[in-house]
Amino acid sequence: DAGVTQSPTHLIKTRGQQVTLRCSPKSGHDTVSWYQQALGQGPQFIFQYYEEEERQRGNFPDRFSGHQFPNYSSELNVNALLLGDSALYLCASSPLAGASGEQFFGPGTRLTVL
Amino acid sequence: QQQVKQSPQSLIVQKGGISIINCAYENTAFDYFPWYQQFPGKGPALLIAIRPDVSEKKEGRFTISFNKSAKQFSLHIMDSQPGDSATYFCAASPTGGATNKLIFGTGTLLAVQP
Repeated sequence: DAGVTQSPTHLIKTRGQQVTLRCSPKSGHDTVSWYQQALGQGPQFIFQYYEEEERQRGNFPDRFSGHQFPNYSSELNVNALLLGDSALYLCASSPLAGASGEQFFGPGTRLTVL
Repeated sequence: QQQVKQSPQSLIVQKGGISIINCAYENTAFDYFPWYQQFPGKGPALLIAIRPDVSEKKEGRFTISFNKSAKQFSLHIMDSQPGDSATYFCAASPTGGATNKLIFGTGTLLAVQP
């Protein structure tokens, strides 16, 4: 079992550019959540996808958007990048009907905006 | 009401000692309280989690104590080892962690000295 995988590992962009991050959930999981973790801070919830639809959204602007594919993998898109978007972006997967409530996190994508 | 407050920010413990990290929340709708461990360059990994119907849960050297009336919960690491040196995050989720967002504390950097 490969667990949650994310790509790329690192990414450097300049202000105003657009970026797409990718996530493959753990086998058997159908729900994907995205978090932003600034340096020295706890992860902040961006949004969650299930059945290819956004189910919940945190306090992030519309520049942050996502998508979930039929195979449950997901993308996070960020438009018009700002310096403050520099962070570790984490993907977490879980089974919708999971009794334990556990969310499994990937290793993250480190985004640097110059 | 969506905040989870975590303390201390950093902690130094001698090998074999007890590490204690505390968290407090305000939202009484939270009903799932996990603790995550994060090593540098890695995503958070679930250590142990508790629901409000019990006051304590123990798994190996890790124990969660939960005080529903005070809206506080804590992580105790017994016989702390240098390999436990990492950042620890408490989190809370409103109703059913698998399908709802996790709200994280700000993290505690633990250093266990040999």
